[in-house]
Amino acid sequence: GAVVSQHPSRVICKSGTSVKIECRSLDFQATTMFWYRQFPKQSLMLMATSNEGSKATYEQGVEKDKFLINHASLTLSTLTVTSAHPEDSSFYICSARDSGAGKGRGTGELFFGEGSRLTVL
Amino acid sequence: DAKTTQPPSMDCAEGRAANLPCNHSTISGNEYVYWYRQIHSQGPQYIIHGLKNNETNEMASLIITEDRKSSTLILPHATLRDTAVYYCIVRVGLYNQGGKLIFGQGTELSVKP
Repeated sequence: GAVVSQHPSRVICKSGTSVKIECRSLDFQATTMFWYRQFPKQSLMLMATSNEGSKATYEQGVEKDKFLINHASLTLSTLTVTSAHPEDSSFYICSARDSGAGKGRGTGELFFGEGSRLTVL
Repeated sequence: DAKTTQPPSMDCAEGRAANLPCNHSTISGNEYVYWYRQIHSQGPQYIIHGLKNNETNEMASLIITEDRKSSTLILPHATLRDTAVYYCIVRVGLYNQGGKLIFGQGTELSVKP
């Protein structure tokens, strides 16, 4: 299936610093990517929809100034957690839709990255 | 926002079929049913999806009732590596029209030797 890569897989930072997480679609182009977060023992919560070349659409209750999303190309979206605090510690997961451009099979389905675990001290 | 109901946990013996139920009684006529699974500390893995007809692929089969208010995911010969949380999701809208996947709580499947 299509491959979505996230980097870094794990990151530890100090409170007050900013952390950037990258999400790349490796063998297909993705005009739309999604960012989720997951706390221990809980399900995935959708944070925002990232659209290539335009502003992200945030879910209710998600602070857009806190979680900056940039979708600068058809294969890359980034999530920046600004001024991170311990309560931001979580598992962040991105997904990308294989729309058929590039080498993708064009299933139109979402494929998920392996996740990035953020720990804020 | 989740539109599905699943049992929180299930057990299955290795080599047996695992049948995971899902209720989606408020599903609309053009909404698809998706199944993903998540092995501990990994990203979700796509399994299968369907609209009205039953579907089968190399991983599983999806049986959707005629009234579309419920469905069952079938893993025909469960292995220990199938131990995971299985999510049944009704896709909200078309992807190219702002559609997205909203995850519910899922079913934690434990495959036992």
